[in-house]
Amino acid sequence: DVKVTQSSRYLVKRTGEKVFLECVQDMDHENMFWYRQDPGLGLRLIYFSYDVKMKEKGDIPEGYSVSREKKERFSLILESASTNQTSMYLCASRGGVDTQYFGPGTRLTVL
Amino acid sequence: AQSVTQPDIHITVSEGASLELRCNYSYGATPYLFWYVQSPGQGLQLLLKYFSGDTLVQGIKGFEAEFKRSQSSFNLRKPSVHWSDAAEYFCAVGATSSASKIIFGSGTRLSIRP
Repeated sequence: DVKVTQSSRYLVKRTGEKVFLECVQDMDHENMFWYRQDPGLGLRLIYFSYDVKMKEKGDIPEGYSVSREKKERFSLILESASTNQTSMYLCASRGGVDTQYFGPGTRLTVL
Repeated sequence: AQSVTQPDIHITVSEGASLELRCNYSYGATPYLFWYVQSPGQGLQLLLKYFSGDTLVQGIKGFEAEFKRSQSSFNLRKPSVHWSDAAEYFCAVGATSSASKIIFGSGTRLSIRP
């Protein structure tokens, strides 16, 4: 069965902290994605990666960076967390043009 | 530019009633189309997808959707809703290039009246 896992379901951090959100997929997919989801705004793409060490900016990359050192793992980094980054973060992976599979999400609160 | 429009932000239907959620897309070629469902606090789960062939596609949980090229629509339907169908539903469109992104609509929240 397809599996995308995220390191934490809930996370609380302080303003200015460096935050790492980890995502792992077990489907050998080339493409991986990070979204944030806020009420009334739907899913907004932060970054995506179509291969190891490759990344592309999505619609809202400011304040975020990513890392993909291994095919199965895609990390989202908040260099200096701010309160406006409080959100639900969703990771997804996709093989070719087929279905995109999502992880359960990480609800991040920045105080 | 590619886009997906879900014109209904929130819909309430009675349990046992039929359901139709609307989705319109803007795309230059025949796209790949998806419907996802998200239960509260969860990730998104694929309900169904259309790549080619029969324009009426069946999905999980008794849902179906019909691709209408002339109307650029991919509406989701269910003949009789259950209380457990209360969730947020997202329509999405993808290109035929494997390196492309999937574009998501803003979602329709479905509430079920007992």
